[in-house]
This record gives sequence, C-alpha cells and structure tokens, in this order.
Amino acid sequence: SQELEQSPQSLIVQEGKNLTINCTSSKTLYGLYWYKQKYGEGLIFLMMLQKGGEEKSHEKITAKLDEKKQQSSLHITASQPSHAGIYLCGAVRNTGKLIFGQGTTLQVKP
Amino acid sequence: SAVISQKPSRDICQRGTSLTIQCQVDSQVTMMFWYRQQPGQSLTLIATANQGSEATYESGFVIDKFPISRPNLTFSTLTVSNMSPEDSSIYLCSVENSGNTIYFGEGSWLTVV
Repeated sequence: SQELEQSPQSLIVQEGKNLTINCTSSKTLYGLYWYKQKYGEGLIFLMMLQKGGEEKSHEKITAKLDEKKQQSSLHITASQPSHAGIYLCGAVRNTGKLIFGQGTTLQVKP
Repeated sequence: SAVISQKPSRDICQRGTSLTIQCQVDSQVTMMFWYRQQPGQSLTLIATANQGSEATYESGFVIDKFPISRPNLTFSTLTVSNMSPEDSSIYLCSVENSGNTIYFGEGSWLTVV
C-alpha cells in the first residue's frame, strides 16, 4: 500500500455542492501540502499545514490537519466549475522533498 | 511565493534522442528538485539539484539517464537521455523558497515516439 493514501480517487459533484477530499498517512506528518493540477500542467500551491489541529482557508477551500498529524482533509464549499482538476496531497519527508498521494480527480457539473 | 518557468512546455521526441529541460526561478533558492509524473500517475522525485556539486538521485534514478546541472541559485537543467517511450511523462521542477514553502513549475510534457 502507498505511504500516502487519498480518497476518493475521483469525484463528480453538482455545482454548488460541498465536497471533502481526504489524505491519510502511515507516518506522522511533519508538513502536508495541498496542490491543484490541471490536466497536463504544473502544480498550483493551495495550502501548507504543519501543526496538529491546524486549519487554513483560502476563498472557498479549507484544509485541516488532525491532532495526531496523520490525516488531512480538503473541503470545498459551494463548488464551481473552476474548482475542477486533480487535487494532490504531498507529505514532507526531508527538507524540500515531497512524497505524493495518488491524486483525486474532481469534476464539477454545471 | 516563487515564480518558476520551465522550457519547453511540451515536446515530441524521437526515441534514442536526448532532451534538456530548463528551470528558471525568479529568486535565489537553495533547494531545487526534479520530479517525474508518468501518465495517470502521481509525482515521483528524481533528484535534488545541488548548486556547486553533483545532484543527489533517488532510488531508481541514475545520473547517466538524467544528468542535472545547477550552475547558480536560480537555474537548473534536467536532461532525459537516450529516450524511450517509457520516458513519456511530465517533468516538473520545484523549489523551496526562503519561507520554507515548496512551489512547482508549469511542467514539461514530453512524448517519446
């Protein structure tokens, strides 16, 4: 099994609906990144979490790191077509180095 | 933040040839990294590009196949040598800036035919 597991692997939601993507680690997370990727393109930085219980928000996206620092969630409120893409969580394993989950593909139907 | 430019953004290459990808950052950074993303897969770290010394490669990646240069603190190149169709991937450059945040370039999508 992978060190970093994302769920679900894919998600189709109706515009306006809320959704949550989870990222679970088999090891303690010392830094957890969330990125968004459009097909065939680079990664767009969303948020970085480091402390247990930490929560950050940007526009309609909220990310949390649990107290035990082994699970993170990304929540999108009132989804829009512009939210569509691949969401990737990345765990810091050494200075600057990340290992990634397998990604969650999000489609938002108008 | 950090603005990272990669060239080329896309290319179609003949098998057996080599291609060099460039990564330019808008500020000086200590740490630069190269990742590969194979079709339908997540990202895998290839190597750390060290300024003034040889790159440090991850398990499964070797210098002969993926030579890396890092001539200064804002620039690096990755060469994919003697390409085969299995090398068809998106290659991404990343940096850790002074605020300890990791950013990625736009990616270079290589198709080997």
